[in-house]
Amino acid sequence: SQQGEEDPQALSIQEGENATMNCSYKTSINNLQWYRQNSGRGLVHLILIRSNEREKHSGRLRVTLDTSKKSSSLLITASRAADTASYFCATDLSGGYQKVTFGIGTKLQVIP
Amino acid sequence: DAGVTQSPTHLIKTRGQQVTLRCSPKSGHDTVSWYQQALGQGPQFIFQYYEEEERQRGNFPDRFSGHQFPNYSSELNVNALLLGDSALYLCASSLFRGDYGYTFGSGTRLTVV
Repeated sequence: SQQGEEDPQALSIQEGENATMNCSYKTSINNLQWYRQNSGRGLVHLILIRSNEREKHSGRLRVTLDTSKKSSSLLITASRAADTASYFCATDLSGGYQKVTFGIGTKLQVIP
Repeated sequence: DAGVTQSPTHLIKTRGQQVTLRCSPKSGHDTVSWYQQALGQGPQFIFQYYEEEERQRGNFPDRFSGHQFPNYSSELNVNALLLGDSALYLCASSLFRGDYGYTFGSGTRLTVV
């Protein structure tokens, strides 16, 4: 079963615009991670935010985490055609061993 | 620094056959997790191996089994293949004691006919 749920499921924007994707989850987490996947290839780890953090930046990426609402958002600024991919949020649940559970993803298309 | 290596990249099998997929983790990683990703879906957790033992398992039948070797590499075995087993199988490596995220391989595309 999926722990996270991304919204929207698909997003189409012009190059240079910002893209925002949201993720909601159901249970307490240790951390939340965002991954990118190009055309059915392997996933690439983008950023990890721990449950005691509220915001994190990496280059053109900005991630926020609201544990009270059990939600996260990924913002990609000044998007490029190369950002076209599927983006997944993944949660590492609290308690027990590390186990990362993925959502269904947001398919982002950046039009040149 | 080699990342995660999976083999083979593509595979076609007949229903009822058995298949073995292989994974070499990123250098320095000690944990291997396997995922199944159907077309248009998110990756589904199959199981995780650490210290040559299955530590966690997702909601997959016993037809799915695995192994981890002393050098941390891992195999995923699927018996009695069904058409529904057709998917991209992803291997991810990580450090058991740490929350730094996973490194994924490029996957094995399995087609069952």
